[in-house]
Amino acid sequence: GAVVSQHPSWVICKSGTSVKIECRSLDFQATTMFWYRQFPKQSLMLMATSNEGSKATYEQGVEKDKFLINHASLTLSTLTVTSAHPEDSSFYICSARDGGLANYEQYFGPGTRLTVT
Amino acid sequence: LAKTTQPISMDSYEGQEVNITCSHNNIATNDYITWYQQFPSQGPRFIIQGYKTKVTNEVASLFIPADRKSSTLSLPRVSLSDTAVYYCLVGEGGRRALTFGSGTRLQVQP
Repeated sequence: GAVVSQHPSWVICKSGTSVKIECRSLDFQATTMFWYRQFPKQSLMLMATSNEGSKATYEQGVEKDKFLINHASLTLSTLTVTSAHPEDSSFYICSARDGGLANYEQYFGPGTRLTVT
Repeated sequence: LAKTTQPISMDSYEGQEVNITCSHNNIATNDYITWYQQFPSQGPRFIIQGYKTKVTNEVASLFIPADRKSSTLSLPRVSLSDTAVYYCLVGEGGRRALTFGSGTRLQVQP
């Protein structure tokens, strides 16, 4: 089956620094990738949609200058949290859709736990 | 996007069948119904997807009535490892993101 990986699986950083999270589709080409954020005991909240080769579309309330998304290839999307603050501590999850399939299934990565101290 | 409503939590015992119902009164003609399972600190895992009637795979069954305004995920003979949050999602999928509701937290007891 289709596999999506994320790196790192967890990261601790100091307030004010930037952190980059990678999302890769390992065995398929992902024309569209999605980034979600999940706080403890809450549901997933969509942050942005990224299409390969174009700018990401951010959801209302998500700062595009703070959460930089790059989708430069069909197998890799990156999320950079710039000038991180403790309130950015969360579980970040990406998902990808196989552009070659007719179904509507999206494949999720294992998530990245970000802790800002 | 169609909004979904499902119970916040459910309790069951090992070996029992669990049915989780999701309401989606505003489902559109092009929308599919998809269920995901999520364990703590993990990404959601696809369980089953359907458009109408009944769909069955090796993990679960999905029942969808003719009006498609609700759906029921059926987990046969649950085990402790089925303790997780289950999300019902409705949408076209594809290039559009999936909108997650609150999900149902299933607790399976020995």
